[in-house]
Amino acid sequence: NAGVTQTPKFRVLKTGQSMTLLCAQDMNHEYMYWYRQDPGMGLRLIHYSVGEGTTAKGEVPDGYNVSRLKKQNFLLGLESAAPSQTSVYFCASSYSGEPYEQYFGPGTRLTVT
Amino acid sequence: AQSVTQPDIHITVSEGASLELRCNYSYGATPYLFWYVQSPGQGLQLLLKYFSGDTLVQGIKGFEAEFKRSQSSFNLRKPSVHWSDAAEYFCAVGARGFQKLVFGTGTRLLVSP
Repeated sequence: NAGVTQTPKFRVLKTGQSMTLLCAQDMNHEYMYWYRQDPGMGLRLIHYSVGEGTTAKGEVPDGYNVSRLKKQNFLLGLESAAPSQTSVYFCASSYSGEPYEQYFGPGTRLTVT
Repeated sequence: AQSVTQPDIHITVSEGASLELRCNYSYGATPYLFWYVQSPGQGLQLLLKYFSGDTLVQGIKGFEAEFKRSQSSFNLRKPSVHWSDAAEYFCAVGARGFQKLVFGTGTRLLVSP
């Protein structure tokens, strides 16, 4: 039981390049989330999904897209990376029952130059 | 909408001393409350949660927290800190029927010898 895994762990992009971050969970969770973590700002929700085929915007969705084609996977895409997207990205998942405690992956450190 | 305040950005505690990390929340009804810990370079791990019942909750690694409705607080405590407790701690609030959590900005704990 691996829990929540994220691929890749590190990535360096040039401005304007695109990439996709993959999150996978093996806990059969309905809900999945993408956050970014920046110094002094805690975790901010980018997008989330309450089930296969669904996505919704979080607090800071601009510049990102997501897809949930399979229940166990949640992809985060950057179509045209900007330096402001340099951050650590965390994926999380939770059961559909309250209180919605979330389980986190190890994170992806992304640098955009 | 819910919000969370962690007033202390950094706290330094001597090894073996007691610890209290503060968390204040804003929400009109009974919230779901969580404490997570993040070791350097790692994802977030759930320490404990409150969603109903006894207002004093026990968690992993010897931590506990007390929900005080009158003070809108959910402070984290540990009677004797170990060097391995040095990490960043996040308080989070959720709500009934609301699938997202709102995180505080975190408190970094430093443990001195």
